[in-house]
Amino acid sequence: KQEVTQIPAALSVPEGENLVLNCSFTDSAIYNLQWFRQDPGKGLTSLLLIQSSQREQTSGRLNASLDKSSGRSTLYIAASQPGDSATYLCAVTTQGGSEKLVFGKGTKLTVNP
Amino acid sequence: SAVISQKPSRDICQRGTSLTIQCQVDSQVTMMFWYRQQPGQSLTLIATANQGSEATYESGFVIDKFPISRPNLTFSTLTVSNMSPEDSSIYLCSARGGAETQYFGPGTRLLVL
Repeated sequence: KQEVTQIPAALSVPEGENLVLNCSFTDSAIYNLQWFRQDPGKGLTSLLLIQSSQREQTSGRLNASLDKSSGRSTLYIAASQPGDSATYLCAVTTQGGSEKLVFGKGTKLTVNP
Repeated sequence: SAVISQKPSRDICQRGTSLTIQCQVDSQVTMMFWYRQQPGQSLTLIATANQGSEATYESGFVIDKFPISRPNLTFSTLTVSNMSPEDSSIYLCSARGGAETQYFGPGTRLLVL
């Protein structure tokens, strides 16, 4: 059974700092990995999707890496801003036909002005 | 990308009643899903809504408790039946089209008294 773990559970940083969020998964047989952002009281916004054959994806100040063999992904946020404050969720789609996303519990990020 | 809307956005219900949540996608999608997010927890897949056939339920979820309909490629409903306070959660509709990015609705916040 696929399990996704995110560390740390919460992170507080001053504005302008670069930071890294970590995600690990137990079954390396994945189709892809997605990072989402969830704002309080709202749904999820997809940030980046990395296919199993890819090593990283970039979008603006965000860079996500994937090491499938070791079951790890990181989300790097450069020059953090107060508007980046949210919960960041990692999810994997596991091979085997079900095509369902398995989520971690998330990292709650607070960027202080 | 796909834009997903859900109705209602929130509701307070009495124990023993049922609530039907509607999900509308602005474009035709191949797959639709229903997730539950209990307080302080991550997302758990309830079922995959199949167009024209019975939904596929995950372990721990049954059709009698969570009947699902998907009459076409853009619409689905989830009913939470015979509710108890343990059903208090956020219920999220999700969709995936030709690309593999998965999109989420804003969620329905349910409180059962």
